[in-house]
Amino acid sequence: AQTVTQSQPEMSVQEAETVTLSCTYDTSESDYYLFWYKQPPSRQMILVIRQEAYKQQNATENRFSVNFQKAAKSFSLKISDSQLGDAAMYFCAYRSPFQGAQKLVFGQGTRLTINP
Amino acid sequence: EADIYQTPRYLVIGTGKKITLECSQTMGHDKMYWYQQDPGMELHLIHYSYGVNSTEKGDLSSESTVSRIRTEHFPLTLESARPSHTSQYLCASSLPGAGEVFGQGTRLTVV
Repeated sequence: AQTVTQSQPEMSVQEAETVTLSCTYDTSESDYYLFWYKQPPSRQMILVIRQEAYKQQNATENRFSVNFQKAAKSFSLKISDSQLGDAAMYFCAYRSPFQGAQKLVFGQGTRLTINP
Repeated sequence: EADIYQTPRYLVIGTGKKITLECSQTMGHDKMYWYQQDPGMELHLIHYSYGVNSTEKGDLSSESTVSRIRTEHFPLTLESARPSHTSQYLCASSLPGAGEVFGQGTRLTVV
């Protein structure tokens, strides 16, 4: 079974600076999907960024980018020019394209605080 | 703007009561999911569905049940609520290979 590990329970960063959230995963599959989700306090969980394992190019969405290291099974999220609205729980997730309903396996989450 | 809707958002209910948490999506997604999440913690899959009349139990054992009679509707039922059921319940749906779209969640408290 696949597992996802986020080793940083909490992170903080000064507004306008850059922060990187770590995620590692364990799988024997060669093709899969990786995601970062953001869950603001008492608000809906939303998809931040998505990476397909067969694509070597790192995904980017505006200020959010990933560093996908397939051999190392690492999938970190970089947030540039941090804003107060970026404060949230961030979850890394893995999806196999082969298993049943293709359910997500989540990491434990990282709570990100933005200091003004 | 959410295309997946959960009701109620908050529910406080007494032990032993039967409850149904509603989840509806307007995107025509075949795959739908229910996750349980304690505050500040990771999500655990409790039920999922491939499509109409298809339901499966997830990784986390749950006393709840689900049904999928229509594509857009995936309700979760607890026949007899207990304090141990106090948690947040998140409904989601997805297309193959895509990320989940989540509802706003139902925060359940059983007293």
